[in-house]
Amino acid sequence: QQQVKQSPQSLIVQKGGISIINCAYENTAFDYFPWYQQFPGKGPALLIAIRPDVSEKKEGRFTISFNKSAKQFSLHIMDSQPGDSATYFCAARLNEKLTFGTGTRLTIIP
Amino acid sequence: NAGVTQTPKFRVLKTGQSMTLLCAQDMNHEYMYWYRQDPGMGLRLIHYSVGEGTTAKGEVPDGYNVSRLKKQNFLLGLESAAPSQTSVYFCASIQDSASGELFFGEGSRLTVL
Repeated sequence: QQQVKQSPQSLIVQKGGISIINCAYENTAFDYFPWYQQFPGKGPALLIAIRPDVSEKKEGRFTISFNKSAKQFSLHIMDSQPGDSATYFCAARLNEKLTFGTGTRLTIIP
Repeated sequence: NAGVTQTPKFRVLKTGQSMTLLCAQDMNHEYMYWYRQDPGMGLRLIHYSVGEGTTAKGEVPDGYNVSRLKKQNFLLGLESAAPSQTSVYFCASIQDSASGELFFGEGSRLTVL
């Protein structure tokens, strides 16, 4: 049973464009929603996170939008750069466990 | 700072062989996790530990065993490797359940022939 559904599986965006990755969750008891960024050959690293009492969080070019009623959250990358090319995972936390989405491979082309 | 260190980084096994993956963290974190990453399936939790001497099953525990004899170390064992266990394994740690950031190692790529 997949509790966190992520889309799209892959995404190609032109340099300077906006990258958008979406996630949906089922369990309303989740209390923390992070996004992780992973480069080839490396482990995932925390990019940005949000708690369900906030509808939006922005850090530089990265923004999380959170819709509690729809049980959805998304990552927006503004002014996307080639260095943003990576795999992105959304996740949701319940107690001591994080459940991850299936990942989105983002490629930024010149 | 070393953070989370996994050994070995690469290993090739034959079906039926056994092996142990070692994870060491130097951040004095209470909680440690083992995930496996497979194409199109994201990161799936195998086993985890909320403190020295404790272990618990995650989403995909079958075929694996773990031990947390010391706070800084979390071992993942495969008693009889199967081709379905070919994957990249990641160890991660966090201070406690209220903490935000999960810190990952760089992964161990295991191939079972």
